Amino acid sequence: AQSVTQLGSHVSVSEGALVLLRCNYSSSVPPYLFWYVQYPNQGLQLLLKYTSAATLVKGINGFEAEFKKSETSFHLTKPSAHMSDAAEYFCAVSKIYGNKLVFGAGTILRVKS
Amino acid sequence: SQTIHQWPATLVQPVGSPLSLECTVEGTSNPNLYWYRQAAGRGLQLLFYSVGIGQISSEVPQNLSASRPQDRQFILSSKKLLLSDSGFYLCAWSITTGGYYNEQFFGPGTRLTVL
Repeated sequence: AQSVTQLGSHVSVSEGALVLLRCNYSSSVPPYLFWYVQYPNQGLQLLLKYTSAATLVKGINGFEAEFKKSETSFHLTKPSAHMSDAAEYFCAVSKIYGNKLVFGAGTILRVKS
Repeated sequence: SQTIHQWPATLVQPVGSPLSLECTVEGTSNPNLYWYRQAAGRGLQLLFYSVGIGQISSEVPQNLSASRPQDRQFILSSKKLLLSDSGFYLCAWSITTGGYYNEQFFGPGTRLTVL
């Protein structure tokens, strides 16, 4: 079975500071990994995905994530937070040959001015 | 390009009333289709998924049902709503290419309030 743990249900950073959202996964088979962002009362938008190519993945809006197999992690980072980054972020895992995603519980990012 | 539509955007229904939420996808063929629910403080819960017309898999026992009458149409229904059915319902689609799974794309959601 696959699972995702997102450490920290709420993260607060100052505008211009580093954003680090943590995600650890559990999977008995090689995984695909995803980060999604959700703004209030909207659907989820794909930020980036890892599909067994490069371990450092760059996404939209300046975000990136690094797949570390030894640590079973896929943490999301952004060098400098903007007010517009305030949202809820979800990490998700799937099997390469599967057709379902398993989501983490989400992390709400607050950006202080 | 592909787009996904959900309606209605918001819905307020009394307990015991029926429900029908619709999702349609444009610009792709034979997508995998999904229904999720977000309840306050409970994250994303996969309710149903479908890999083809008439093929529905249920993830969580409940008083909801799903149907896929056409390739790009996915409907979520209930005969009698419960208070616990309140939440934000999201439809999503994906495609499987050569056996490899691709990412899911989400619709704008339907906010359901059961009173």
